[in-house]
Amino acid sequence: DAGITQSPRHKVTETGTPVTLRCHQTENHRYMYWYRQDPGHGLRLIHYSYGVKDTDKGEVSDGYSVSRSKTEDFLLTLESATSSQTSVYFCAISAFSDTQYFGPGTRLTVL
Amino acid sequence: ELKVEQNPLFLSMQEGKNYTIYCNYSTTSDRLYWYRQDPGKSLESLFVLLSNGAVKQEGRLMASLDTKARLSTLHITAAVHDLSATYFCAVDGGGATNKLIFGTGTLLAVQP
Repeated sequence: DAGITQSPRHKVTETGTPVTLRCHQTENHRYMYWYRQDPGHGLRLIHYSYGVKDTDKGEVSDGYSVSRSKTEDFLLTLESATSSQTSVYFCAISAFSDTQYFGPGTRLTVL
Repeated sequence: ELKVEQNPLFLSMQEGKNYTIYCNYSTTSDRLYWYRQDPGKSLESLFVLLSNGAVKQEGRLMASLDTKARLSTLHITAAVHDLSATYFCAVDGGGATNKLIFGTGTLLAVQP
């Protein structure tokens, strides 16, 4: 299995609070991605990173920010959580033009 | 804008039968991926298809790619219960960053 961990694995929070999810890899891959998975939508890309401090937006980036200060860590922050951000969040990593490998996921519930 | 459509969305089949899942996409792409997801689990990579006419097989699953038709198929031969899962196709959106656009998934239920 690709060395990807996500923390926390489960979180329940209240509307309006900030939330940070962490993705950690041990593969030294350049590319890292955050997706959310919702019924009927498959997976949708939130943000991605193509190097330390290099990030860009995906399809559904509103309300989310990211940071990558080290190769191995990619953080996803919900600046002010809303109920529409209740979802399962997956981190993925890849080498250039290679298969993306997914982490175990974080189940986030916003009340 | 690249769109990816899978059909069917749900497939119930009997063990021993054959079936095909279809993945259509709207714009030119060089790479197509198939993933499997078991309930409550992460996504597992099954196949990467990199060129027109590419065919890959693993066990009872075979994937193919027709870039001219913008179509990939995942064929299941003699289904067994262990193949029950959700299957996703994903298309590379182009550029150097390997951004993937996913289909909505096909939930496969193989009945004994």
